Amino acid sequence: SAVISQKPSRDICQRGTSLTIQCQVDSQVTMMFWYRQQPGQSLTLIATANQGSEATYESGFVIDKFPISRPNLTFSTLTVSNMSPEDSSIYLCSVCCPGTGGTEAFFGQGTRLTVV
Amino acid sequence: QQPVQSPQAVILREGEDAVINCSSSKALYSVHWYRQKHGEAPVFLMILLKGGEQKGHDKISASFNEKKQQSSLYLTASQLSYSGTYFCGTEGSNAGGTSYGKLTFGQGTILTVHP
Repeated sequence: SAVISQKPSRDICQRGTSLTIQCQVDSQVTMMFWYRQQPGQSLTLIATANQGSEATYESGFVIDKFPISRPNLTFSTLTVSNMSPEDSSIYLCSVCCPGTGGTEAFFGQGTRLTVV
Repeated sequence: QQPVQSPQAVILREGEDAVINCSSSKALYSVHWYRQKHGEAPVFLMILLKGGEQKGHDKISASFNEKKQQSSLYLTASQLSYSGTYFCGTEGSNAGGTSYGKLTFGQGTILTVHP
């Protein structure tokens, strides 16, 4: 199993500013994933963060808006840049699924972001 | 590609049963089921890997059809604690038959259990 610590748990930010969300895992993992969950919606994958390489972004998400760092196998950050009210969401980091037999995805508790 | 979940919402009384379906247009590597309560992170329920597989614990079980394109979650004798939003998360297969290691979630099914 994996325990994920994510912070901050919530924040209220001014439009035009940036927020960096941190995700710490208690074990080494190859891939970490960042999701966005807009109010009342499902989880949408933003990007996959691999240690030692550039993050891979899903359609509709770009590095300039959501830069990701992955300095080691237990830590990652997601920055939400130049925020607007449309960025108000819950952001979750996750580790999952090595693809060799199937394991559950573990989630951080999420960061509830409100942009005003 | 996002899997399709149905129904969108279910309202039950304690003790009643419910079925939630999850469908994909392509064969999947696996299907995961999660429950999320308001303001909390999703909680893992179970994972299915094999076509024709059925598994479960307590009064919650799930199946994965032979073609690995459809899964159903069965909630029997529902309890108040079952209330929440249920998501299926699917892993696609790559050309090598393994997964990409990322989940695509359905749109969710809101389950409400009343006393």
